[in-house]
Amino acid sequence: RKEVEQDPGPFNVPEGATVAFNCTYSNSASQSFFWYRQDCRKEPKLLMSVYSSGNEDGRFTAQLNRASQYISLLIRDSKLSDSATYLCVVNPYGQNFVFGPGTRLSVLP
Amino acid sequence: GAVVSQHPSWVICKSGTSVKIECRSLDFQATTMFWYRQFPKQSLMLMATSNEGSKATYEQGVEKDKFLINHASLTLSTLTVTSAHPEDSSFYICSARSGLAGGLAGELFFGEGSRLTVL
Repeated sequence: RKEVEQDPGPFNVPEGATVAFNCTYSNSASQSFFWYRQDCRKEPKLLMSVYSSGNEDGRFTAQLNRASQYISLLIRDSKLSDSATYLCVVNPYGQNFVFGPGTRLSVLP
Repeated sequence: GAVVSQHPSWVICKSGTSVKIECRSLDFQATTMFWYRQFPKQSLMLMATSNEGSKATYEQGVEKDKFLINHASLTLSTLTVTSAHPEDSSFYICSARSGLAGGLAGELFFGEGSRLTVL
């Protein structure tokens, strides 16, 4: 089993749609969780950290379920500019960051 | 915010030559930097962890003699692809982590990436 798994995608959604990405991780010692966004041929950039209580940043909402070892990202009112690959990143305590394979999103006009 | 700069952005070289890629943390000291490789439509794969003042730690399957890493200062790590071959063509990305207390991970900042094409 891979350390971090994500929805395989791609997700093709119309503008204004709500889309949710799921991520599971295998290492129960994981301490920090992040969602990164990567545009084509660019470096990943931090979208948001994921906190135990869940957190929201504008149209983006991240949830963490430690018991199920599950992370989610919800994007509301999707924009064309949201088209990218979304990477789930997990950091076990004292270890390196582990990247999921990414889920590609295409928002269509 | 913290910035990591990577150079060059693009490099095209002939097979058999060596290519050096630089990674700099511009406004924070990074005792540890990470080097990744990403093939088209695939995720980032960690190649090695670069430690300032000591030898790099390589991931399984990564040839340390082919991918030379030097981390001579707290703000600079270099990756040299020696005797490059077409199969080494890839997107190489470095990153550095900002520090947080208590051993928790700070944000991981990435360089802009270097696209290597070996002819």
